[in-house]
Amino acid sequence: EDQVTQSPEALRLQEGESSSLNCSYTVSGLRGLFWYRQDPGKGPEFLFTLYSAGEEKEKERLKATLTKKESFLHITAPKPEDSATYLCAVRGFGSNTGKLIFGQGTTLQVKP
Amino acid sequence: NAGVTQTPKFRILKIGQSMTLQCTQDMNHNYMYWYRQDPGMGLKLIYYSVGAGITDKGEVPNGYNVSRSTTEDFPLRLELAAPSQTSVYFCASSGTVEAFFGQGTRLTVV
Repeated sequence: EDQVTQSPEALRLQEGESSSLNCSYTVSGLRGLFWYRQDPGKGPEFLFTLYSAGEEKEKERLKATLTKKESFLHITAPKPEDSATYLCAVRGFGSNTGKLIFGQGTTLQVKP
Repeated sequence: NAGVTQTPKFRILKIGQSMTLQCTQDMNHNYMYWYRQDPGMGLKLIYYSVGAGITDKGEVPNGYNVSRSTTEDFPLRLELAAPSQTSVYFCASSGTVEAFFGQGTRLTVV
């Protein structure tokens, strides 16, 4: 069964202090791994899609990377406006190809 | 484009009442999803659909029902509301890649 585990659950950083969020996954054939950002009271907002091990995507201060078992969301020199919950999700091939399974998220707080 | 539209935004139900959460998308997406999100938690998949007339259970389907008679609409039905169904409900749709989410329905069962 497809499974996604994110760590840590919560992360507090000082402005400018770089760090990484982890997403471990189990899926029967990876169709795609997705990163989302969610602000309080709002729906998740799409950030990145990764398809195969070794792939990397970047957007401003965020960089997502993918291995066969994990994905990392690297945050370089974060700013207070990067504070949000970051969600990881996977979609597999086969009989579960329609399913999109999420992890529990990492809540990031960046202090000025 | 409106994207994914959910109604209502807020609702208070009494135990045992029924209601339907509405979800409409205008992107001609085949895949549609219903999730619930409890405070401080991630998204749990309730039901999903890969196209009109086809639905399947997700991780937490008990107490809910869905139908998909058109590509655009994917309503979620609660038949006998229970306090455990107090949550924020999100609908999403996707084509072949990323999913797009609605703004959510905050449901309280008292």
